[in-house]
Amino acid sequence: DGGITQSPKYLFRKEGQNVTLSCEQNLNHDAMYWYRQDPGQGLRLIYYSQIVNDFQKGDIAEGYSVSREKKESFPLTVTSAQKNPTAFYLCASSKGSTGSYNEQFFGPGTRLTVL
Amino acid sequence: AQTVTQSQPEMSVQEAETVTLSCTYDTSESDYYLFWYKQPPSRQMILVIRQEAYKQQNATENRFSVNFQKAAKSFSLKISDSQLGDAAMYFCAYRARNQFYFGTGTSLTVIP
Repeated sequence: DGGITQSPKYLFRKEGQNVTLSCEQNLNHDAMYWYRQDPGQGLRLIYYSQIVNDFQKGDIAEGYSVSREKKESFPLTVTSAQKNPTAFYLCASSKGSTGSYNEQFFGPGTRLTVL
Repeated sequence: AQTVTQSQPEMSVQEAETVTLSCTYDTSESDYYLFWYKQPPSRQMILVIRQEAYKQQNATENRFSVNFQKAAKSFSLKISDSQLGDAAMYFCAYRARNQFYFGTGTSLTVIP
């Protein structure tokens, strides 16, 4: 079955450590996105990528980094520069073309907790 | 700037009754798409319904329908015959080009 996988489901990190969240899709989608979800704030865009080897900052990119070396994969690294990293992180993908609905499909999310 | 506003942080409905969730958006684009997503306690985001701005006919998916008022930039979701499984956070979303914008969500409680 086609879909998006995120791992791990729960992640614990000590302060000062970098951590990488995995996101893989087998939907053959060109565009991929990372969101952060905090209570009462909806989804906030961290980074997005419309094509391999290219990505753009979203609204809250500070303290995060990404790579897009393969179409299927879009890992997110939460660096020690991120002041408040404890949150729920969602990865999404879409076809990427502009001529149709191209709704986003979401992974199950990763809950990151900084100890 | 594109924004999506959901003015109802929380709503409740009796089982089998109808409830309407509100959403307004602000855009200068002429070609765009609108969505409602559901996020149950599992936190998996699920697409409920979608609407293309060019289509005047309101979208319907089983018990879910929208009231799309383009001039007013309003996109409300109506849930008929509410079921316990409808309890979730609902997000209104807007897409123009390849950018998506989400509202802050409405938490729906279904009362047995």
